[in-house]
Amino acid sequence: DTGVSQNPRHKITKRGQNVTFRCDPISEHNRLYWYRQTLGQGPEFLTYFQNEAQLEKSRLLSDRFSAERPKGSFSTLEIQRTEQGDSAMYLCASSSGQVNNQPQHFGDGTRLSIL
Amino acid sequence: KNQVEQSPQSLIILEGKNCTLQCNYTVSPFSNLRWYKQDTGRGPVSLTIMTFSENTKSNGRYTATLDADTKQSSLHITASQLSDSASYICVVNRDDYKLSFGAGTTVTVRA
Repeated sequence: DTGVSQNPRHKITKRGQNVTFRCDPISEHNRLYWYRQTLGQGPEFLTYFQNEAQLEKSRLLSDRFSAERPKGSFSTLEIQRTEQGDSAMYLCASSSGQVNNQPQHFGDGTRLSIL
Repeated sequence: KNQVEQSPQSLIILEGKNCTLQCNYTVSPFSNLRWYKQDTGRGPVSLTIMTFSENTKSNGRYTATLDADTKQSSLHITASQLSDSASYICVVNRDDYKLSFGAGTTVTVRA
């Protein structure tokens, strides 16, 4: 079990630049989630995929954010025209089967710092 | 509003001592309650999952309790070790894929 893998681990960029993060879930998991976490807070839900279908997007996901999971395996999260407020840890998680009784397995996140 | 409140915000304990963390929630409907451990700079790791019919569950030195009537849960750490230093997050699952996260309790274990 290689776990959920996220790349890069850290990203520093200037305000206004575009960034893209990648998440590789546990291979047999069909559900994939993106969260954002700021210091001292719990993760906040951003979006959810079941296989390749994006089933829900949070209001937190403005039009500058887009997520894809083209083949139902890895996923990417892109932020366009980054702003200072986008600085956070972006976490990806995956799970299988009925989510109600299966834990979500988290990656170690991508920490984004906007200069 | 679905909320999960945790207390205390942080605590410091000596190695070998026990501690208890609290979680109160107003999430409805309720499917299950989870406790996660998050080390600094890492993603959360699941410790326990309890449905409304379960009132206690253990994972090694971690024991979680749940009172679905009063909507309260606790996480008890027995004989703490330095490696227990982390943030502990209470998470409530509604009847879909959405999780409501608490802000976490930061535990520092000192030698």
